[in-house]
Amino acid sequence: EDQVTQSPEALRLQEGESSSLNCSYTVSGLRGLFWYRQDPGKGPEFLFTLYSAGEEKEKERLKATLTKKESFLHITAPKPEDSATYLCAVLGPNTDKLIFGTGTRLQVFP
Amino acid sequence: DTAVSQTPKYLVTQMGNDKSIKCEQNLGHDTMYWYKQDSKKFLKIMFSYNNKELIINETVPNRFSPKSPDKAHLNLHINSLELGDSAVYFCASSQGVDGYEQYFGPGTRLTVT
Repeated sequence: EDQVTQSPEALRLQEGESSSLNCSYTVSGLRGLFWYRQDPGKGPEFLFTLYSAGEEKEKERLKATLTKKESFLHITAPKPEDSATYLCAVLGPNTDKLIFGTGTRLQVFP
Repeated sequence: DTAVSQTPKYLVTQMGNDKSIKCEQNLGHDTMYWYKQDSKKFLKIMFSYNNKELIINETVPNRFSPKSPDKAHLNLHINSLELGDSAVYFCASSQGVDGYEQYFGPGTRLTVT
């Protein structure tokens, strides 16, 4: 069964302290890996899609990378407004549904 | 402009009642979804519709019945509500059935007492 595991569950960073979030997956024939950001009381907001190992995408202080087993969301010099839950999801070969991980709750303190 | 909207935002009701949640999208997408997010923030798909046709129907109780009157609307009706139905329900939409770039609504927090 396709599975997605995100770590750490929670992460506290000082403003400017760079770090990475991990998303490990067990999917044969990955068709896409998706990163979303979710603020409290709101719906997930799309960030990136990665399709193949070696691919990278960047947006402001965020960079997503993909290998055959996992994806990383690198946060460079984070600001308090980056505080949110970051969700990873995968799309397998024989389904039209996204399988989500349980997310990493990021808190950035000034 | 609101892309994906849901009503109501909050819904508090008693066990055994029947309730509906409405969703509308103005993005021109042809695929819409219902997700359930539990207290541990785990997001799981329930249903998806493409051009008013049911595509994904996960193992959810028969008490949950989605209805798509047109491509821009997807409603969720829940019969005989139970305590375990308490969760946040999200509507989402995308262009195409491959789930790419799904846009989510603000969610409906359902509390069953």
